[in-house]
Amino acid sequence: AQSVTQLGSHVSVSEGALVLLRCNYSSSVPPYLFWYVQYPNQGLQLLLKYTSAATLVKGINGFEAEFKKSETSFHLTKPSAHMSDAAEYFCAVSAASGGSYIPTFGRGTSLIVHP
Amino acid sequence: DAMVIQNPRYQVTQFGKPVTLSCSQTLNHNVMYWYQQKSSQAPKLLFHYYDKDFNNEADTPDNFQSRRPNTSFCFLDIRSPGLGDAAMYLCATSRDFNRASEQYFGPGTRLTVT
Repeated sequence: AQSVTQLGSHVSVSEGALVLLRCNYSSSVPPYLFWYVQYPNQGLQLLLKYTSAATLVKGINGFEAEFKKSETSFHLTKPSAHMSDAAEYFCAVSAASGGSYIPTFGRGTSLIVHP
Repeated sequence: DAMVIQNPRYQVTQFGKPVTLSCSQTLNHNVMYWYQQKSSQAPKLLFHYYDKDFNNEADTPDNFQSRRPNTSFCFLDIRSPGLGDAAMYLCATSRDFNRASEQYFGPGTRLTVT
């Protein structure tokens, strides 16, 4: 079975500081990995995805993530946090289920941005 | 804009009173999903459809049913809601089951059970 682990249920940063949200995956085959963002009382929105092309993936809103096979990690970063980045972030891995691929989500990390 | 729409956004029902949540999509995607999300938890998959082929997750309670009468619409029926069913219910779509297929989510319906 494939799974993701998000380290830290809450991450707190100051506005303008580096954002680092951690995600480690477990997979017996090369994974496809996703980061989604969820703003309060809204659905999830795709930030970026890794599909075995470039290991450094750039997404929307200035976020990027780097796939590191040796560390089984896919951490999400942003150089400078903005107040509008405050949200819940979910890492997901595309997992095979009876011949189809159903995403499995991590527990989420709440990003808090202080002025 | 192509999108996933959920109605209502907020639903209050009484303990044991059946309730139906609806989802529609203008993306013409083959796959539709229903997730249950409780506070500070990951979305939990309840069902998914590929076209009209229905797939029930093994641990989805029998109290939950779903219908997809056509490509655009999907419904979640909770036959006898309990207090533990209070949650955000998310509908999502994807073009297909390709590994790289991303999901498109609706805004969710927040269900309160009194």
